[in-house]
Amino acid sequence: KNEVEQSPQNLTAQEGEFITINCSYSVGISALHWLQQHPGGGIVSLFMLSSGKKKHGRLIATINIQEKHSSLHITASHPRDSAVYICAVGRIIQGAQKLVFGQGTRLTINP
Amino acid sequence: GAVVSQHPSRVICKSGTSVKIECRSLDFQATTMFWYRQFPKQSLMLMATSNEGSKATYEQGVEKDKFLINHASLTLSTLTVTSAHPEDSSFYICSARNPSIFWEQYFGPGTRLTVT
Repeated sequence: KNEVEQSPQNLTAQEGEFITINCSYSVGISALHWLQQHPGGGIVSLFMLSSGKKKHGRLIATINIQEKHSSLHITASHPRDSAVYICAVGRIIQGAQKLVFGQGTRLTINP
Repeated sequence: GAVVSQHPSRVICKSGTSVKIECRSLDFQATTMFWYRQFPKQSLMLMATSNEGSKATYEQGVEKDKFLINHASLTLSTLTVTSAHPEDSSFYICSARNPSIFWEQYFGPGTRLTVT
């Protein structure tokens, strides 16, 4: 079992729908990241969380440390939101800082 | 936000040759950079951690002699794929740690390497 599990793996929705992507992890973490990767490959960091909730524009990220779970929400989704969304957790492994990545959620928003 | 660049964005090389990929932090000094590899439809895999002025730390299973990392300045880390083979074809991404926020990393746009 992967340390970081995302669901769903693929998600297709219509423009305007409310989107939720989930991330569960099985280890203690220092921080959790939500990343966005567009078809060209470049990665944009959307959020870094260690507790609570953050909002940026139409994006909201929450984390529940006790339940080892985080969600990324997109309100009023738009075709330009189509991308792969990756959850990554920050851990100290053998004294070194490392990010452990989920497998990603491929989101497609149809007009 | 902070910007990390990579060069080249795409490279095609013949089997047996070496390829150098540069990763630069454009508006901040990065003492620590990370090199990742991504195969199609898979997530990122950490290859090595690059620390300015010292040897890189490689992940288990990553060949040090094949993937040479040099972090000679606070704004530049390079990854050289030596004696490239078709199985080295992949998407290589670097990131740089925010010097002020330990867990924050800024990612480069990636380099797509194709070995023929």
